[in-house]
Amino acid sequence: AQKITQTQPGMFVQEKEAVTLDCTYDTSDQSYGLFWYKQPSSGEMIFLIYQGSYDEQNATEGRYSLNFQKARKSANLVISASQLGDSAMYFCAMLRFDGGTSYGKLTFGQGTILTVHP
Amino acid sequence: DGGITQSPKYLFRKEGQNVTLSCEQNLNHDAMYWYRQDPGQGLRLIYYSQIVNDFQKGDIAEGYSVSREKKESFPLTVTSAQKNPTAFYLCASSASGVYNEQFFGPGTRLTVL
Repeated sequence: AQKITQTQPGMFVQEKEAVTLDCTYDTSDQSYGLFWYKQPSSGEMIFLIYQGSYDEQNATEGRYSLNFQKARKSANLVISASQLGDSAMYFCAMLRFDGGTSYGKLTFGQGTILTVHP
Repeated sequence: DGGITQSPKYLFRKEGQNVTLSCEQNLNHDAMYWYRQDPGQGLRLIYYSQIVNDFQKGDIAEGYSVSREKKESFPLTVTSAQKNPTAFYLCASSASGVYNEQFFGPGTRLTVL
C-alpha cells in the first residue's frame, strides 16, 4: 500500500529565508507522481509543484523546488525567500495510477503547518 | 472563469439526516473526486469517477453515496450511516493524461448537531 509521511507537524521560518519541508513515501510502483499542495486557512487546496517518478531533473516552479531523491524515496519541498503569505498547511501527495488508466488517485500525507515570521 | 464550485460553504444537519453536497466543474474534466479532511489531518479519498455514469469507491466510502449523471456534476450524499460526518469535504477534478493535476474546489464544511 502507498503511504506518505510528513514528519514535521510544524515549521517556523524567518521572512526571506529558505525552508525545507520533508516528505517520504512508500510504494512498490515504478510509475508514480509526487505533488505538493498548499492549504491556507480558507481551506482551498493550491497546487504548487509536481515531480514524475521518471523525471531526472528536480522540478522547480518559481520559489518552489522539489528535492527528489528516488533511492531514498523522499520528495522534499524547498521554499526560497519565504514570504508572510507562505504561512499555511502544506501537503505532500502521491499519485497512484488506477489499473493502467491515465487517471490517478492521490494519497496525502498528514501535512506540515508552516509559519513565516516577519 | 473555469473552475470548481462547491455549495454550500457551510452546512449544518441534525444527526440521522441525509445531506447532499454539490460539486460542479466547467473545466471539461473527465475525472472527479471527493475527499474528506478532518482537523489537522490530510485528505482521504471517498469516491471518484472517471466517466459519466461510472464511479468507484475510494478508501473511506462507507456511509457515503455519489452519482455522475453529467460530466460537470458529481454530488456527494452523506447518509445517516456515516458515523462521524462532521468534516471538511473537498471536491476535485482532473483531465486525462499521465500528468493529471487535480484541481480543487473551495470545500464544504459539514457540521452534525
